[in-house]
Formats: sequence, structure tokens, C-alpha cells
Amino acid sequence: DVKVTQSSRYLVKRTGEKVFLECVQDMDHENMFWYRQDPGLGLRLIYFSYDVKMKEKGDIPEGYSVSREKKERFSLILESASTNQTSMYLCASSSEDGDEKLFFGSGTQLSVL
Amino acid sequence: AQKVTQAQTEISVVEKEDVTLDCVYETRDTTYYLFWYKQPPSGELVFLIRRNSFDEQNEISGRYSWNFQKSTSSFNFTITASQVVDSAVYFCALSGWTGGFKTIFGAGTRLFVKA
Repeated sequence: DVKVTQSSRYLVKRTGEKVFLECVQDMDHENMFWYRQDPGLGLRLIYFSYDVKMKEKGDIPEGYSVSREKKERFSLILESASTNQTSMYLCASSSEDGDEKLFFGSGTQLSVL
Repeated sequence: AQKVTQAQTEISVVEKEDVTLDCVYETRDTTYYLFWYKQPPSGELVFLIRRNSFDEQNEISGRYSWNFQKSTSSFNFTITASQVVDSAVYFCALSGWTGGFKTIFGAGTRLFVKA
């Protein structure tokens, strides 16, 4: 069964902390994505990557960075967490075969206090 | 610009009722894809269907059916004889050339099915 795994289901951090959210997929997918989900706003794309060491900004990249050193792993970094980054973070991956179907992880609920 | 609108924030039905979730999209692309995803309480979004812009044929899969109408830019989702297990948040999504085929999502519709 295909799998996208996010390292933590729940995370509580303090304002100003550096936060790492990890995502690993076992499907050998080229494309990986980070979304945040907020009530009433749906899913908004933060960053994505089409290949190792590649990254592209999504719609709301401010306050975030990413790292993709290996094909299977895509990390989201909050350099200095703020309370407005409290949210559900969803990682997804897709193949390059053109069907654009996304496979999602279970999400990380991040609370910044 | 591309946009997906799900005007229904929450819908509540009683088991065995039919329910339709609305989705309206905006795009200037001639080639694009439309999707529906289901997010159960566990949190993991699950792919339900993908439609490309050249295929307006409606689709039925068990109790689920989808109605794609380019004339009204809509891609509505109907659940027939709803069940409690259908309770979830449902997202409509769009992927097109203008957006580099990044997938954008609507705000979602939360469906409650009561026994």
C-alpha cells in the first residue's frame, strides 16, 4: 500500500522556535507538496518540489522554507514559529505520469503558543 | 487566475438521504483537471475522482456520482442513500496549465450523516 508518512500527528511549540516538519513517501514519486489547512480556507499550497534539491514557492511561502535532499523526503521548516502558523499541515506527493493525483499524509496539527 | 468555490460550508442529512455537494471553478485554461477528495475524521485526504476538461461524461461509482458541466463550470458530487461512514469533509480541487498543474483546493464542505 502506498504511503506518505508525516513524523508527528500533534506538535506544540513556542513562539520563536525553529520547527521541522518531516514527510517521507515510499512511492518513488518525483513531486512533493506542503499544504496548510485552516477552517474556511481549505488547503493552501506553501511549497512544492519537482525533484531532489528543487523547490518552488506556492501561494503562501512567507515564514516557511523547505528542504529536499533525498527523493523520498520533503521537510518543511518554520524558521521562527509564530502564533499565526498554528494550523494543520499536510504533505502530499504525486508521480510525474501526468494524472496529478495526490497522495496525502495524515497531517501534523501544529500549535504555536 | 484559478479558483474553486464550494459554497456549502456544512450539510447535515439523515442516513439514506441523497445529498449533492456543489463545486464551481474558474480557469482560463482549456486543459485542466478536476478532483474530489474525502477527508474523514482521521485526517488523511483520500482521492475519489479525477476528470479532465475534455471528458464531460458523468461518472458513477457505486453510491457516488459526479456531474461535470463545462457550460456552468461546475463539477458536482452526489452521494445516493448516504451512510454514516460518508461523514467527512469533501474537497473539490483544480489543476491546470496556468498554475503549472499545481492543485488548488476549495474551502471544503463538511458533511454530517446522522443515523
